[in-house]
Amino acid sequence: DAGVTQSPTHLIKTRGQQVTLRCSPKSGHDTVSWYQQALGQGPQFIFQYYEEEERQRGNFPDRFSGHQFPNYSSELNVNALLLGDSALYLCASSSRQGGDEQYFGPGTRLTVT
Amino acid sequence: AQKITQTQPGMFVQEKEAVTLDCTYDTSDPSYGLFWYKQPSSGEMIFLIYQGSYDQQNATEGRYSLNFQKARKSANLVISASQLGDSAMYFCAMRLMNRDDKIIFGKGTRLHILP
Repeated sequence: DAGVTQSPTHLIKTRGQQVTLRCSPKSGHDTVSWYQQALGQGPQFIFQYYEEEERQRGNFPDRFSGHQFPNYSSELNVNALLLGDSALYLCASSSRQGGDEQYFGPGTRLTVT
Repeated sequence: AQKITQTQPGMFVQEKEAVTLDCTYDTSDPSYGLFWYKQPSSGEMIFLIYQGSYDQQNATEGRYSLNFQKARKSANLVISASQLGDSAMYFCAMRLMNRDDKIIFGKGTRLHILP
């Protein structure tokens, strides 16, 4: 049973560029949440997707956007990258139908120079 | 506003000893869930244990147990018989069940197990 997968593992971008991160949820899960974890901090909620729609959003600017596909996989897009966007981006999947746990992927380490 | 507080930035514990990681939370919602996650240096968040606000018994999962004191809004993680592989960051987290699915995390505690 495949767990949550994320790609790429590491990414280096320049200020002002755009980046797309990808996530495939655990088998049987239909909800994907994205978190940003800055160095030395706990993860911060960015947004959540269910039924291909953004359902909830944390305190992040519109530069952060996302998408969910019919197969439940998801993308996180960040435009006009800032140095402060450097972080570990975690994807978590869960099921609306049951289970209280969110299962996390290994994360994508984004470095903005 | 909901908040998770972990007051121990770092801890050093001798192998095979038990360790308690502190966590307090703040919410006025009656229905919530409390989680503990382990994050090794690889970065992946590993789910350890869950406690619902209406659960009567403290949650246990193998060597992990959650000391849930609702009146004190405390949800400490206890690891029995610690192992070298337990060295990692540990995060306490909360989710409000009736409103949304987002998880609010504390700042974490870095646990070092000494041989």
